Amino acid sequence: GAVVSQHPSRVICKSGTSVKIECRSLDFQATTMFWYRQFPKQSLMLMATSNEGSKATYEQGVEKDKFLINHASLTLSTLTVTSAHPEDSSFYICSARATGGRSTEAFFGQGTRLTVV
Amino acid sequence: AQSVAQPEDQVNVAEGNPLTVKCTYSVSGNPYLFWYVQYPNRGLQFLLKYITGDNLVKGSYGFEAEFNKSQTSFHLKKPSALVSDSALYFCAFSGGGNKLTFGTGTQLKVEL
Repeated sequence: GAVVSQHPSRVICKSGTSVKIECRSLDFQATTMFWYRQFPKQSLMLMATSNEGSKATYEQGVEKDKFLINHASLTLSTLTVTSAHPEDSSFYICSARATGGRSTEAFFGQGTRLTVV
Repeated sequence: AQSVAQPEDQVNVAEGNPLTVKCTYSVSGNPYLFWYVQYPNRGLQFLLKYITGDNLVKGSYGFEAEFNKSQTSFHLKKPSALVSDSALYFCAFSGGGNKLTFGTGTQLKVEL
């Protein structure tokens, strides 16, 4: 199946600093990628939809100035957590779907465990 | 609002026994339904999907799911569970904007 690579898998940063997470589709082009956040033993919460060449679409309650998303190419989307605080500590997962719309399965990155100290 | 529900937080089953992980849906129109599995500290892996056609869908690792329109269910099943099947399982539906919306997840524990 298609491969989505997410990097880094784990990062620890100090409060007030910014962290960038990369999501790459390795063998297909993804005009749309999705960023999720997952709390321990909970479901995935969609944060935003990343659109290649245009602004991301954020879900209600997600601060767009804090979670900056850039989708500069058909194979790369980045999520930058700005001015991170301990409450931003979480597991972040990206996904991408190949063309075909609603009927196609999504492929997920390995996830990034962010710890803000 | 459209949604999928997973009524069980955890399912325990003995190795070799059949397993069922439940999912019900509340989706208008033709539902596009998916099952994913997540191992600790990893992303999600696709297991199977129902789009149209046969109600019984076969997927990866010996899993299958049955789409039941009258009961609005899409339960995940496997005839003989393995310890290695222990993981977190998510049911999902595909909605507007190509978004996937997930259920709350069911932790499957398969014991010897």
